[in-house]
Amino acid sequence: GAGVSQTPSNKVTEKGKYVELRCDPISGHTALYWYRQSLGQGPEFLIYFQGTGAADDSGLPNDRFFAVRPEGSVSTLKIQRTERGDSAVYLCASSLTGRGVRTDTQYFGPGTRLTVL
Amino acid sequence: GNSVTQMEGPVTLSEEAFLTINCTYTATGYPSLFWYVQYPGEGLQLLLKATKADDKGSNKGFEATYRKETTSFHLEKGSVQVSDSAVYFCALESLPIQGAQKLVFGQGTRLTINP
Repeated sequence: GAGVSQTPSNKVTEKGKYVELRCDPISGHTALYWYRQSLGQGPEFLIYFQGTGAADDSGLPNDRFFAVRPEGSVSTLKIQRTERGDSAVYLCASSLTGRGVRTDTQYFGPGTRLTVL
Repeated sequence: GNSVTQMEGPVTLSEEAFLTINCTYTATGYPSLFWYVQYPGEGLQLLLKATKADDKGSNKGFEATYRKETTSFHLEKGSVQVSDSAVYFCALESLPIQGAQKLVFGQGTRLTINP
């Protein structure tokens, strides 16, 4: 079956511009996560959706970052006034329930590599 | 807060060598523990997991045992292959009553296997 997909795979933008990154989770998965992976580091949590609502956005670095999931499926991560420090790989993951079930597994997409010049 | 510390890389081994990648964690409660692998040009994939103390996760010849007394989850393989060359991430997942079931990752260990 189809896995998690992310578009675009690469995005190059200039400092100060606005970008949108898209995530299409596995069909039927209610939980969706965004992570950010800087070069040479492990992924870091940004935000978690349970259905349409952002249940935990404690990992968003500042108010330039925002994410939505209006119909409980596709999610868009939006970054305003991009800075060079935003350059990283942005990963999306989905899981079936996300509700403290020990057998729940997060499945990751291939990521979007964002480069801010 | 929760954190994961991994053996620093890169690690270079010859084919058929024995592999150990160390991982220790700090966490409140009893988190689930994972190893994820990132092959060149591909996304993160779950390699194995363990959800409670003394559990052993295994997959593709890799094993890791959840050791609560030493707060460790070391990854081992008896005989590595060139195709095992990848970046390996240790991670823990807290199970909060509220909030995200978020993963906390180590920094990753790059493994290269030479023929």
